[in-house]
Amino acid sequence: KNQVEQSPQSLIILEGKNCTLQCNYTVSPFSNLRWYKQDTGRGPVSLTIMTFSENTKSNGRYTATLDADTKQSSLHITASQLSDSASYICVVSPSNDYKLSFGAGTTVTVRA
Amino acid sequence: DAGITQSPRHKVTETGTPVTLRCHQTENHRYMYWYRQDPGHGLRLIHYSYGVKDTDKGEVSDGYSVSRSKTEDFLLTLESATSSQTSVYFCAINRQGANSPLHFGNGTRLTVT
Repeated sequence: KNQVEQSPQSLIILEGKNCTLQCNYTVSPFSNLRWYKQDTGRGPVSLTIMTFSENTKSNGRYTATLDADTKQSSLHITASQLSDSASYICVVSPSNDYKLSFGAGTTVTVRA
Repeated sequence: DAGITQSPRHKVTETGTPVTLRCHQTENHRYMYWYRQDPGHGLRLIHYSYGVKDTDKGEVSDGYSVSRSKTEDFLLTLESATSSQTSVYFCAINRQGANSPLHFGNGTRLTVT
């Protein structure tokens, strides 16, 4: 069973609007949580990385939050642009293993 | 991604044939990984390497082998390709140690007919 679940599977938003993506995980013990952006036909690119002690991390218009107690993270995209159209992947790193757990991703489509 | 080159980018092969995918890095990093990505699944680790001639299995290693004879090259071999190995394969490196973010190549799309 996948230990990282993302929702929604896909969403469509209008340019300039905000959106929030969700990530729930069961990985334990937990070291850090990462969000990646993957453009079509390209490899994933790191957006943010948060340790268990961090609640929020920003990278431009992307803001990630983490609640280690409930094992939930979210990625908020502010004032979306056409270039934000991509798949966003949540990745959890356990503290006792090198193997990362990847979510299946949320596909975001931004329309003009 | 600058520094990581995967080849070929696309390949179509027949069931039962051997296939080798190449990952080349120009940055002399120790850790290299092979993942596969399939619709509806997260990226899954096939094999990884922590140095020249030092490799280990990931969660989906059956049917795959790897070799690393030089720091810059990490090869993934499908000894006898099957249709279930149709996938997109990504190579990745750690630029700042095992717990740093992964940096991925742009993938190889493999189709086994």
